[in-house]
Amino acid sequence: QLVLTQSPSASASLGASVKLTCTLSSGHSSYSIAWHQQQPERGPRYLMKLNSDGSHTRGDGIPDRFSGSSSGAERYLTISSLQSEDEADYYCQTWGTAGVFGGGTKLTVL
Amino acid sequence: EVQLVESGGGSVQPGESLRLSCAASGFSFSSYWMHWVRQAPGRGLVWVSRINSDGSTTSYADSVKGRFTISRDNAKNTLHLQMNSLRVEDTAVYYCTRVAYSSSWYVDYWGQGTLVTVSS
Repeated sequence: QLVLTQSPSASASLGASVKLTCTLSSGHSSYSIAWHQQQPERGPRYLMKLNSDGSHTRGDGIPDRFSGSSSGAERYLTISSLQSEDEADYYCQTWGTAGVFGGGTKLTVL
Repeated sequence: EVQLVESGGGSVQPGESLRLSCAASGFSFSSYWMHWVRQAPGRGLVWVSRINSDGSTTSYADSVKGRFTISRDNAKNTLHLQMNSLRVEDTAVYYCTRVAYSSSWYVDYWGQGTLVTVSS
């Protein structure tokens, strides 16, 4: 069964960098994912598509402070030069026989 | 600019029906698969349903199968979700999403969402 696993929370200081992780279930390490951001009280926004080789394509208007990388079954979202508006929930998403979302990571900017 | 604008949400009692709509603009609607995704209050995102570009193929999450029907009108650039036999657990914000394909499917645009509340 295709499952995406994310840590429930993360925190980092203003101006620092943070790396969020999304783990694909066993047998699915070749899958691509997408990362989405949901700021408080707002709808989600597509950030990027991330392939198993680490190549990624950012959405329209997404700054290059947001980058992606991959290692095995792990898919990473790195946010550098953290700003207050980066405080949000971050979801990974993929597709098997149905759409699949990770449980989301709540990022707190200290 | 791609825009997806949902409408049709509201408050209903268990067992009742609602029809959600999503008006699409800024892209060639008939060329894209479309999905509905929902989010219960305080919870994460959950995939609900999808439809292919010409409306001939649909699929549903097990939780809504047999109760919800996705459809589209490419002449009017509109996506629909007919929701019947609504349950309390269907309470959520429903998002219309555009889906792109590049070795796999992924959501690349989201609407602002419409709230559906099912309560007695």
